[in-house]
Amino acid sequence: QVQLVQSGAEVKEPGASVKVSCKTSGYTFTNYYMHWVRQAPGQGLEWMGIINPSRGNTNYVQKVQGRVAMTRDTSTSTVYMELSSLRSEDTAVYYCAREPIDTFYFDYWGQGTLVTVSS
Amino acid sequence: QSALTQPASVSGSPGQSITISCTGTSSDVGRHNRVSWYQQHPGKAPKFMIYEVSKRPSGVSNRFSGSKSGNTASLTISGLQPEDEADYYCCSYAGSPYVFGTGTKVTVL
Repeated sequence: QVQLVQSGAEVKEPGASVKVSCKTSGYTFTNYYMHWVRQAPGQGLEWMGIINPSRGNTNYVQKVQGRVAMTRDTSTSTVYMELSSLRSEDTAVYYCAREPIDTFYFDYWGQGTLVTVSS
Repeated sequence: QSALTQPASVSGSPGQSITISCTGTSSDVGRHNRVSWYQQHPGKAPKFMIYEVSKRPSGVSNRFSGSKSGNTASLTISGLQPEDEADYYCCSYAGSPYVFGTGTKVTVL
């Protein structure tokens, strides 16, 4: 069955970086896009960006452009999201979410990773 | 790109029907049929419920249905059940970025 398993919770100081992983199984890794979506405490969902695991090309929302990098390791079917220069407002649960290519919806989600930015 | 507008809360009694609206613009919701809906229970990841405005993925109850008119999409839950109590989010592809709705808390009275 399809599984997206994310890495554990992180606590980081302002200015630091965090790298969250999303290990996939149960499907052909390169046949689906992967997105990252975050949710601040008590708030709604916010789309951050997309990676094409086949080619590695990415597209990010302007709000985090320059601070975010989404990468993939095809040998382990894992995608990564690294966010740098962390601020308190980056405190959120970060989700990876799979998209069947060019369908524009997210059919499977990871369990979420809480990233807390605090001094 | 601004978030799509949803009512903060909607409530109904068991067995009733409720409708959640999702209002965007002619650049997102009104532009194409790339509207999807997600259900989120507290502390859980979102669950995929509706795609392309009105299509249901396998395994989703037929009590959930979607529609669209102009710049507003809607999710209707018929025969409301206690397990439907959750937050619901719409989402539209706007030629990058993707835009989510503000979210609606559904309460089953």
